[in-house]
Amino acid sequence: DAGVIQSPRHEVTEMGQEVTLRCKPISGHNSLFWYRQTMMRGLELLIYFNNNVPIDDSGMPEDRFSAKMPNASFSTLKIQPSEPRDSAVYFCASSLDRTSGRIEDNEQFFGPGTRLTVL
Amino acid sequence: ELKVEQNPLFLSMQEGKNYTIYCNYSTTSDRLYWYRQDPGKSLESLFVLLSNGAVKQEGRLMASLDTKARLSTLHITAAVHDLSATYFCAVDPSGTYKYIFGTGTRLKVLA
Repeated sequence: DAGVIQSPRHEVTEMGQEVTLRCKPISGHNSLFWYRQTMMRGLELLIYFNNNVPIDDSGMPEDRFSAKMPNASFSTLKIQPSEPRDSAVYFCASSLDRTSGRIEDNEQFFGPGTRLTVL
Repeated sequence: ELKVEQNPLFLSMQEGKNYTIYCNYSTTSDRLYWYRQDPGKSLESLFVLLSNGAVKQEGRLMASLDTKARLSTLHITAAVHDLSATYFCAVDPSGTYKYIFGTGTRLKVLA
């Protein structure tokens, strides 16, 4: 299994530009999570999807942030317009939720992250 | 407010020494996770603790969970330089799928 795949790995953009981050979860997983990591705030959950449906987006900081999951194997996180304070590492994680009945499930596996710098 | 606090935040220790990292959380959670993160890298799953009294060991690391005390520990035995990393605990409050991550403990093992 290739694990969670994210692209791009690094993104440098100018303030005001649109940024799109991409994620491919582990095949068979039905929950997907977007996190943001900064020195000041640590790891923050932005949004999570279950079976492609957004369940909780209370962590999305502003309307400039939006996320979609058009199918089970792909999700995007978009920032438009971007601002310097959005600079962070964005992680995508996936899991197989606990309702499958297997106690080991619900463990989240993280992708390599996208390091975003907004100038 | 849900809180997950780790202690200490920074730890510098000599090779060969033992030490314990503590993870306290403020809400009910029936499971707890430990992750390792190397600088500039992703989070790597170390342990999944699924019940009160759970203990798991992998190499020089051992994790335990006391759900009644809302406390988990990560014990390091005879530390080696390769263990230098940041360690995070995360809780999964009952009935949700949302991890609440701790502040992280940055460990540096000195040769």
